[in-house]
Amino acid sequence: DAKTTQPTSMDCAEGRAANLPCNHSTISGNEYVYWYRQIHSQGPQYIIHGLKNNETNEMASLIITEDRKSSTLILPHATLRDTAVYYCIVRPLSGGYQKVTFGIGTKLQVIP
Amino acid sequence: DAGVTQSPTHLIKTRGQQVTLRCSPKSGHDTVSWYQQALGQGPQFIFQYYEEEERQRGNFPDRFSGHQFPNYSSELNVNALLLGDSALYLCASSLGFRNTEAFFGQGTRLTVV
Repeated sequence: DAKTTQPTSMDCAEGRAANLPCNHSTISGNEYVYWYRQIHSQGPQYIIHGLKNNETNEMASLIITEDRKSSTLILPHATLRDTAVYYCIVRPLSGGYQKVTFGIGTKLQVIP
Repeated sequence: DAGVTQSPTHLIKTRGQQVTLRCSPKSGHDTVSWYQQALGQGPQFIFQYYEEEERQRGNFPDRFSGHQFPNYSSELNVNALLLGDSALYLCASSLGFRNTEAFFGQGTRLTVV
């Protein structure tokens, strides 16, 4: 079961792109990369997930390196409402969350 | 369409007591997972219920037990409460055991004194 490493905190200017890195050097071939965020006093919110190709949805883009050992979550135009703790986790698509480790995540502060 | 709802929102219990937390999944979802989140930490997986059975379990003692009802709602029970059980308890629901996207509730803040 792979674990992830993220910076503890990051700042981003409002309107600029926020790039949040995640290292998962021990990821297995059947494990996906998932991103969640948790705004203060709320439950975690699913953002995006991917296996090896870059993914994009209405919230963010996920860039996974070719060797799959790291990834970057991109919020294209950060707003104050994007201030939150961002979690990067890995887990098999066909399995559950039994061995998933959320870690402490990256606290993103969007600055006006 | 209601999302995942949890009750109560806050709870204070005394050490040694027992507590029951409740979760109603998002409409259309049949799988419920429970997490414990200590202050300043990420969520830790407790267990997952599907078809009224515990399907997966994290590294939590037997004091933590659960149940899923035919309407897919779920309960988390914790016996012999310890001070260290104070945390935010999160419920997440998804469609199917092999889920891809889990929707979380707002959580129940449990304080053990």
